[in-house]
Amino acid sequence: EVQLVESGGGLVQPGGSLRLSCAAFGFTFSTYAMSWVRQAPGKGLEWVSAIHSDGSAYYADSVKGRFTVSRDNSKSTLYLQINSLRAEDTAVYYCAKYGSLAVALFDHWGQGTLVTVSS
Amino acid sequence: DIQMTQSPSSVSASVGDRVTITCRASQGISSWLVWYQQKPGKAPKLLIYAASSLQSGVPSRFSGSGSGTDFTLTISSLQPEDFATYYCQQANSFPVTFGQGTKLEIK
Repeated sequence: EVQLVESGGGLVQPGGSLRLSCAAFGFTFSTYAMSWVRQAPGKGLEWVSAIHSDGSAYYADSVKGRFTVSRDNSKSTLYLQINSLRAEDTAVYYCAKYGSLAVALFDHWGQGTLVTVSS
Repeated sequence: DIQMTQSPSSVSASVGDRVTITCRASQGISSWLVWYQQKPGKAPKLLIYAASSLQSGVPSRFSGSGSGTDFTLTISSLQPEDFATYYCQQANSFPVTFGQGTKLEIK
């Protein structure tokens, strides 16, 4: 059974940093692209970043230069380093697994980790 | 960026009703359209991919259609567990973009 477990969220001051992790279970992590999607309180879904199995990374314009996605295939873990945090980055951050078509459709999601940016 | 526009933003319906939600892309995306269902406090769940392919385990009352710029999600006979928010998403190109969501409420 596929399972994605995020961690690392919390309360951080504006300008601060966090590293989110997503531990993956139940599939061959190294062969799948992965993504981060966030959802601000009471709002819709916003794609943040993706990383392919070859390590190529993609970002939304709103986070480019501040967020860095990475993966450790030996640990089956996805990461999101988030720097220079702003109030508008407050959201639940989900990691999501690409489906077998190798396009950006997400067939499994984690439970999410909440990032709150506030002084 | 490709903009995704859903309509309506909210809809009220009764158990047993047929409901259709539409999604329009600002430019052609072939059939790279995905539908998700999200319930409060939960992660989204994949329903339909490639515009019309039903994800494994999803009830057959859900169906999708369309190509190019105009797409629809239809629920043929609403069940109590279907009351949720539905999102479309284009998978044609980066950046990935979602519609704003359609909240399906009980009448």
